[in-house]
Amino acid sequence: EPEVTQTPSHQVTQMGQEVILRCVPISNHLYFYWYRQILGQKVEFLVSFYNNEISEKSEIFDDQFSVERPDGSNFTLKIRSTKLEDSAMYFCASSDEVASLDTQYFGPGTRLTVL
Amino acid sequence: KNEVEQSPQNLTAQEGEFITINCSYSVGISALHWLQQHPGGGIVSLFMLSSGKKKHGRLIATINIQEKHSSLHITASHPRDSAVYICAVRLGPGGGADGLTFGKGTHLIIQP
Repeated sequence: EPEVTQTPSHQVTQMGQEVILRCVPISNHLYFYWYRQILGQKVEFLVSFYNNEISEKSEIFDDQFSVERPDGSNFTLKIRSTKLEDSAMYFCASSDEVASLDTQYFGPGTRLTVL
Repeated sequence: KNEVEQSPQNLTAQEGEFITINCSYSVGISALHWLQQHPGGGIVSLFMLSSGKKKHGRLIATINIQEKHSSLHITASHPRDSAVYICAVRLGPGGGADGLTFGKGTHLIIQP
């Protein structure tokens, strides 16, 4: 069964460093999402992406964040200068265009630890 | 701003019991998702509802749009059902790019 994959599974970085989290959505999906979950808190929406541009973004998704679909398969989240409070689990998700109310399929997540 | 409230926050039950988890939200939505998160952190989509009722195996999800309320039921619960169950709603007109708004989750433990 097709699945969303994410790399790395765990990323440790120093405060102020740039990180890139990678996702490979399900191949025929056209909508892509990033969510984050700070330890012990609820999952929060960051950004959605469709047709090579951001469709929607939350207040969390400030200028330190950017997303890109550099090729036909990868979808990346970049944090330019990490802060301690960026430590969280980051989930990528994708959904199909066929049904406008389609299920979002989640990747296994990348645990980001900022020291 | 839409708030998603789940109850209970924590639920411990014996194997075989019928489980109900509730979700309420404060504004109109285009769809509601029930998700399962296991201790390792991975999230699995269980149901996506815009009206009525859906059933998959021992899981049943219902939604009442007028009352802004949804329930997730587990029949004949089993220890492997132990997980965090999360309700998430999609605002907007139903376009595929809408991000989800999540509840805090219900931590379910089923004891043998």
